[in-house]
Amino acid sequence: DIQMTQSPSSVSASVGDRVTITCRASQTISSWLAWYQQKPGKAPKLLIYAASNLQSGVPSRFSGSGSGTDFTLTISSLQPEDFATYYCQHTNTFPLTFGGGTRVDIK
Amino acid sequence: QVQLEQSGSELKRPGASVKVSCQASGYTFTNYAINWVRQAPGQGLEWMGRINTVTGEPTYAQGFTGQFVFSLDTSVSTAFLQITSLKTEDTAIFYCAREYYDSSGSYSDYWGQGTLVTVSS
Repeated sequence: DIQMTQSPSSVSASVGDRVTITCRASQTISSWLAWYQQKPGKAPKLLIYAASNLQSGVPSRFSGSGSGTDFTLTISSLQPEDFATYYCQHTNTFPLTFGGGTRVDIK
Repeated sequence: QVQLEQSGSELKRPGASVKVSCQASGYTFTNYAINWVRQAPGQGLEWMGRINTVTGEPTYAQGFTGQFVFSLDTSVSTAFLQITSLKTEDTAIFYCAREYYDSSGSYSDYWGQGTLVTVSS
């Protein structure tokens, strides 16, 4: 099975900060990677698919990059509504493993 | 608009069974697979598996075989997750999600609201 390792597990940031979250796959997955945002008590929401494609309706301050084994989610200017937990998930082969999550909270 | 409506919270005794439903609307149900995801209290997301809505073929992740069963009723655009022999450690929120697939990849683009299953004596 492919393991997904996210870092950091949590980050404290201020409104307006640039935030970068990393996800590493245990073997190459090409660009078969998605990023999700989850707020407390809510279902996850798709942000990025195929490593770098912005899902419709998602603000352009979110971006994704990477291929192979190393991927990044960047929030260019953190907004109050962005405080949440973020997960990566590979969709290369079954099982479609999630990373452990990164909680972004207020500094 | 695409919606996945899940059944309500359940409180079960250890050893009991539960069946969670996920009713789709706003799209052709058999055009997309359904994924199931578990989230234990305060924990991350775990992919449990998925079901092909055309063939009904399920795929289970390791750790979700035997006790967990995916099924369909395509006549009402509904997917089901049945969990048998419940244990207290099965307490979790269970999500269904539509699996979108094209040349750019596969991902869960619409999610149900989640169903909390609490197992307690």
